[in-house]
Amino acid sequence: ETGVTQSPTHLIKTRGQQVTLRCSSQSGHNTVSWYQQALGQGPQFIFQYYREEENGRGNFPPRFSGLQFPNYSSELNVNALELDDSALYLCASQGESYGYTFGSGTRLTVV
Amino acid sequence: AQSVTQPDIHITVSEGASLELRCNYSYGATPYLFWYVQSPGQGLQLLLKYFSGDTLVQGIKGFEAEFKRSQSSFNLRKPSVHWSDAAEYFCAVGPSGGSYIPTFGRGTSLIVHP
Repeated sequence: ETGVTQSPTHLIKTRGQQVTLRCSSQSGHNTVSWYQQALGQGPQFIFQYYREEENGRGNFPPRFSGLQFPNYSSELNVNALELDDSALYLCASQGESYGYTFGSGTRLTVV
Repeated sequence: AQSVTQPDIHITVSEGASLELRCNYSYGATPYLFWYVQSPGQGLQLLLKYFSGDTLVQGIKGFEAEFKRSQSSFNLRKPSVHWSDAAEYFCAVGPSGGSYIPTFGRGTSLIVHP
């Protein structure tokens, strides 16, 4: 049973468009991270937010941006979509103890 | 920089057989270590984690893992595999303190034959 909800579950976008993915974390979880998982690969860290401030960033270009809100929800925004952005995007929240709780992900297809 | 190597892309076992999935990590200090499982089209579920103390860690679904510092390994084991264990398994390493951001391996796909 997961306390992290992601929407939408599937999404198809055209190259060059912009997309917003949403995540609702468990109550009390102040840290949220986003990962990109390409087909057949492990999750790659995009960025992390702690109390609405970016707290770390992986090797992703600035067109990947995020927001975290006081109600434990967050967003991942991707501008100027490229074909290689097609992947499963995972949101994970962290509470007091180490170890993330992952959502089921959003499958983004860029055509 | 921390890194994780899962040398086996695919592992095939018969139902009821024992299982060992390999994980080697690179990290300059004592790491936090994790194993996650991912069923098709799903997110990741935490199987077990090691922070400190006993190097043999028990997890959910009958899995265990052993931390061997001398070998920089954290292999996952299960004595008897069930068909429902077929999934993708990911090992992850994170720094023990500070901004906790785990690094994942590329995963091992477990195939279970009846």
